[in-house]
Amino acid sequence: EPEVTQTPSHQVTQMGQEVILRCVPISNHLYFYWYRQILGQKVEFLVSFYNNEISEKSEIFDDQFSVERPDGSNFTLKIRSTKLEDSAMYFCASSETSGNRNEQFFGPGTRLTVL
Amino acid sequence: SQQGEEDPQALSIQEGENATMNCSYKTSINNLQWYRQNSGRGLVHLILIRSNEREKHSGRLRVTLDTSKKSSSLLITASRAADTASYFCATVGSARQLTFGSGTQLTVLP
Repeated sequence: EPEVTQTPSHQVTQMGQEVILRCVPISNHLYFYWYRQILGQKVEFLVSFYNNEISEKSEIFDDQFSVERPDGSNFTLKIRSTKLEDSAMYFCASSETSGNRNEQFFGPGTRLTVL
Repeated sequence: SQQGEEDPQALSIQEGENATMNCSYKTSINNLQWYRQNSGRGLVHLILIRSNEREKHSGRLRVTLDTSKKSSSLLITASRAADTASYFCATVGSARQLTFGSGTQLTVLP
């Protein structure tokens, strides 16, 4: 069964460093998303991406964040200068275009720890 | 209440019992979805119910939707220890983004 994969599973970085979180969505999906979940809190939407551009972003997704689909399979989230409060689980998701069903398939997540 | 808090926040039951979780939402919807999250893992889609549906079944899952009350419930029948997880309902935004509530932590005791 196809699945969304994410690497690395755990990333530890120093405050102020840049990190890139990687995702490989399901191959025939066209919509891609990043969410984050701070420990003990709800899952929060960051950004959605379709047709090589951002279609929606939340207020969390400020200038320190960017997304890219560098090739036909990868979807990345970059945080330019990490802050302590960026420590969270980051989930990538994808969905196929099928009207408004929008069942999203989530990856296992990357745990980002900012020291 | 969803968008919002879920109700209850935590639920502990014995294996074999039924578990009911509720959520409410504030916006108009095309559909509402339920997801499960095992501890420290990603979310798994369970079931989707469209706004013109009142009830939907999938295996041991039963979802109801009351658009007049802007509420939904998830019933898990004959629960198993493996059902232990957090359960979230989610509404869909204009750009297909999901908005999750805080979820219900279900513990099924063997």
